[in-house]
Amino acid sequence: DAKTTQPNSMESNEEEPVHLPCNHSTISGTDYIHWYRQLPSQGPEYVIHGLTSNVNNRMASLAIAEDRKSSTLILHRATLRDAAVYYCIRNSGNTPLVFGKGTRLSVIA
Amino acid sequence: EAGVAQSPRYKIIEKRQSVAFWCNPISGHATLYWYQQILGQGPKLLIQFQNNGVVDDSQLPKDRFSAERLKGVDSTLKIQPAKLEDSAVYLCASSRLGLAATGELFFGEGSRLTVL
Repeated sequence: DAKTTQPNSMESNEEEPVHLPCNHSTISGTDYIHWYRQLPSQGPEYVIHGLTSNVNNRMASLAIAEDRKSSTLILHRATLRDAAVYYCIRNSGNTPLVFGKGTRLSVIA
Repeated sequence: EAGVAQSPRYKIIEKRQSVAFWCNPISGHATLYWYQQILGQGPKLLIQFQNNGVVDDSQLPKDRFSAERLKGVDSTLKIQPAKLEDSAVYLCASSRLGLAATGELFFGEGSRLTVL
């Protein structure tokens, strides 16, 4: 049970921003929000994670709602190489990550 | 730094045969995981090791699957006998610290198993 809800698929135009939503309405106070992505024929790779505050790194930004019941992964300028399945995962402490089906992002040139 | 190494990349066997997959995690990573990913689904945890001890194997089908990490470094996942529904990609992952601290789990490219 991934305990998060994501759209099955999304589409974006190349070089435009992409906002990938995730609902985690039953999140507890100690749960982190993790985002991973999986390119075709590869293992998942870490994108970003956070607890309460918004987070930025070289790959993406993570915007966490004030009540923490939802979050949004932001890719600032989508490229064709960003086409992948994006997984939003809530995780407490050092327990293993539980993956759902994720959102399949298509990027159109 | 070298990534998580897995072999073989591809394996085709007939049902009831056995198969073994090998994983070498990133150097210094104490925690190692095996996930199973069936086509169209997200990865599903099979087993978690901390050094050479099993932390969680609750979802490992122990009648046919076994895994070991004898010296706390590399690991082997075995399936015997294989069933058609075992066709999947088997992913190995490792982490240095607890996930809450770094969030980073490093995955290998996976071993794709086809059972005929």
